[in-house]
Amino acid sequence: QLQLQESGSGLVKPSQTLSLTCAVSGGSINTADFSWTWIRQPPGKGLEYIGYIYHSGTTAYNPSLKSRLSLSVDKSKNQFSLKLSSVTAADTAIYYCARVGGGSSNWFDPWGHGTLVTVSS
Amino acid sequence: DIQMTQSPSSLSASVGDRVTITCQASQDIGNYLNWYQQRPGQAPKLLIFDASNLKTGVPSRFRGSGSGTDFTLTISSLQPEDTATYYCQQWDTFGQGTKVEIK
Repeated sequence: QLQLQESGSGLVKPSQTLSLTCAVSGGSINTADFSWTWIRQPPGKGLEYIGYIYHSGTTAYNPSLKSRLSLSVDKSKNQFSLKLSSVTAADTAIYYCARVGGGSSNWFDPWGHGTLVTVSS
Repeated sequence: DIQMTQSPSSLSASVGDRVTITCQASQDIGNYLNWYQQRPGQAPKLLIFDASNLKTGVPSRFRGSGSGTDFTLTISSLQPEDTATYYCQQWDTFGQGTKVEIK
């Protein structure tokens, strides 16, 4: 059974870089059948897509975050990572990682439990 | 960009009631529409993919329908454990969510 687990900095100062990792277990990240994504949810609000990464390293980013965002994949560790630079309070959110499948449908399943990142001095 | 509009934003219904949530896309998306359930304090879970396909293990009281621009999630008989926020999603866009509560 595939499982995803987020880890990383829970408290980040404004203007610094947020770094998170998603460890994948129960299956390989090195597959052309799926891609991998990050989604975030500000406290009490809805879901926002951050970006996708494929096992090849090909990425697709939310245009609103593109200038500050970097996604990467480490096949040797079966994990993928997110770096978001120049953070502000608006980046405070629960960050989820998930597997992406379904071709054009692009469903997200399963999801990690999520990790809360707070941007504050 | 495609916009996804969900309604209502919240609803309250009794156990056993039939509940309907709608999601409208700003342009034709075929059947490329997925539904998620997010219980309080938990991560979202996939319920229905490709508009009408129930994910394995999801109770049969959940049903998805629609194509093109108009989609519906129906809970045929609301149960206490269905208290959650429900989101529709197409590609990189989520609806605003519908919060379902029990009266």
